[in-house]
Amino acid sequence: EVQLVESGGALVQPGGSLRLSCTASGFTFSTYWMSWARQAPGKGLEWVANIKYDESEKYYIESVKGRFTISRDNAKNSVYLQMNSLRTEDTAVYYCARDVGKPVGKAVVRTSDYWGQGTLVTVSS
Amino acid sequence: DIQMTQSPSSLSASVGDRVTITCRASQSISNYVNWYQHKSGKAPKLLLYAASSLQSGVPSRFSGSGSGTDFTLTISSLQPEDFATYYCQQTYGALTWTFGQGTKVEIK
Repeated sequence: EVQLVESGGALVQPGGSLRLSCTASGFTFSTYWMSWARQAPGKGLEWVANIKYDESEKYYIESVKGRFTISRDNAKNSVYLQMNSLRTEDTAVYYCARDVGKPVGKAVVRTSDYWGQGTLVTVSS
Repeated sequence: DIQMTQSPSSLSASVGDRVTITCRASQSISNYVNWYQHKSGKAPKLLLYAASSLQSGVPSRFSGSGSGTDFTLTISSLQPEDFATYYCQQTYGALTWTFGQGTKVEIK
């Protein structure tokens, strides 16, 4: 059974740092892209970043570029989100997700097929 | 960046109703659209990928259609467990992904 468990959420002051972790089980972690997404209070889902299985490609939403860093440790079946220079608008539940490529005809459509239950990050003074 | 405009933002419906949610992309994205169901405090759940392909284990009352810029999620007969928020997502170009604003389906 595929499981994703996030941890590391906390209350942090503006300008502070936090590192989120997501530990995976039930699949061969080292062969999958992984993503982080978030949901701010009263808002919708927002994709934040993703990382290729060998760390050779990483992509970020514009608002976190230069502040957040996604990484992974395939030996520990874990993906991380290092968050620096945190702002109040980063307050959200953060989710990790497994990304897959679904072949459809001649194309491969990327999607996130399994998600964790999230960890809450609160940025406030 | 590709924007996804989802409508309506909320709707009220009864058990057994047919429900339709639409999503419009800011540029043509072929069929690179996924649909998710999200209940408060739970993990989001993938319903459909590539606009119309049903994810394994998802009931057949969920269906999707569309290509290019306009996409639709339909629930043919709303069940009590379907009251949730639904999101479209584009993954065109595989660089940065975006979700629609969400549609909250509430009990009438």
